[in-house]
Amino acid sequence: QKEVEQDPGPLSVPEGAIVSLNCTYSNSAFQYFMWYRQYSRKGPELLMYTYSSGNKEDGRFTAQVDKSSKYISLFIRDSQPSDSATYLCAMRTRYQKVTFGTGTKLQVIP
Amino acid sequence: ETGVTQSPTHLIKTRGQQVTLRCSSQSGHNTVSWYQQALGQGPQFIFQYYREEENGRGNFPPRFSGLQFPNYSSELNVNALELDDSALYLCASSLGDFNTDTQYFGPGTRLTVL
Repeated sequence: QKEVEQDPGPLSVPEGAIVSLNCTYSNSAFQYFMWYRQYSRKGPELLMYTYSSGNKEDGRFTAQVDKSSKYISLFIRDSQPSDSATYLCAMRTRYQKVTFGTGTKLQVIP
Repeated sequence: ETGVTQSPTHLIKTRGQQVTLRCSSQSGHNTVSWYQQALGQGPQFIFQYYREEENGRGNFPPRFSGLQFPNYSSELNVNALELDDSALYLCASSLGDFNTDTQYFGPGTRLTVL
């Protein structure tokens, strides 16, 4: 079993839809949770960084962490065609390497 | 842009050859990490350097090695290339030691091994 599981998609939604992206994990020592966006032929770009359980909002993006269920989510409101990319969840323990999910490919159709 | 650059952009090598990939971190960033991203997969941690010393390594064989220099540049060296080494290689820099700070990724080097 992988430490981090993420549905690879692809996920196709109409412009303006609310997008929900999810990851589950098995290592209860993970403390820090990140979401990255990766456009084709580019490096990952950090979108959200959270430490505790609960919600964190930044513009159209909301990151949610449920440590009791070992489940994290990223919500994108009012999705735009420019949001079309691969979204990677990532997490780490306090002093160890970052572990990434496989990424979910999102396409927002105008 | 993250301020992290990598060279070359693309590279084609044959099995058994050696390759050196380069990364230039943001000024002041003492930590650099290298990742391998196979097609359709998330990045896999190779190793990390903090102030020119390796301080963390993933599940990669010793033929993957690195160097970090005082001028915030670093190298990833891969010896005896195998077909499975074909991937996007990413470097990421951060301020402090061992991932306590945000990582900023470069655009990557796409390596193809024939």
